[in-house]
Amino acid sequence: SQQGEEDPQALSIQEGENATMNCSYKTSINNLQWYRQNSGRGLVHLILIRSNEREKHSGRLRVTLDTSKKSSSLLITASRAADTASYFCATLPMNSGGYQKVTFGIGTKLQVIP
Amino acid sequence: KAGVTQTPRYLIKTRGQQVTLSCSPISGHRSVSWYQQTPGQGLQFLFEYFSETQRNKGNFPGRFSGRQFSNSRSEMNVSTLELGDSALYLCASSSRDRGLGETQYFGPGTRLLVL
Repeated sequence: SQQGEEDPQALSIQEGENATMNCSYKTSINNLQWYRQNSGRGLVHLILIRSNEREKHSGRLRVTLDTSKKSSSLLITASRAADTASYFCATLPMNSGGYQKVTFGIGTKLQVIP
Repeated sequence: KAGVTQTPRYLIKTRGQQVTLSCSPISGHRSVSWYQQTPGQGLQFLFEYFSETQRNKGNFPGRFSGRQFSNSRSEMNVSTLELGDSALYLCASSSRDRGLGETQYFGPGTRLLVL
């Protein structure tokens, strides 16, 4: 089963609007990352937020983390057509012992209409 | 620095055949992971290699195997291909010694179609 589950599964907005995507997870995490994937391509890392952080910014991106609710949100402000892509959250569970147990969600498909 | 490269980019095989995919990580990265991506299942972790050793493995049958060479390049092999193996196979490298808690850098993927 997926550790991270994104919501919504698909989102369509007008250029200039803000887009918000959510990610929920089940177990305690060490950190959470957001990635973007353009159609049929590899994933591009966007931002990493650690379990002791609550909010992080990178350009037009804002990520929040609520460990009590086991959820994170990715906000893209002033969206552009080029932001059209799928967005994934990836979680690294706590105490993974240094071994790779990063788990990706199914993703949110964002469409930004010009 | 060159990014992660994967070869081939596209591949068509028939059921029962075997296939080998290759991944060259970013120079200096010693950790390489493989993922299978399908529309229905999303990104599924296959395995991770670090310094030529498999450090972790996902829940895939033994038909899926991999290895890593001394130069950190990695290959994955799928034997006795099934239709359900059709997917985008992504390779990711990381510089961290302690697993992939930090940023992974993904290659463009190999799209495999099994007929």
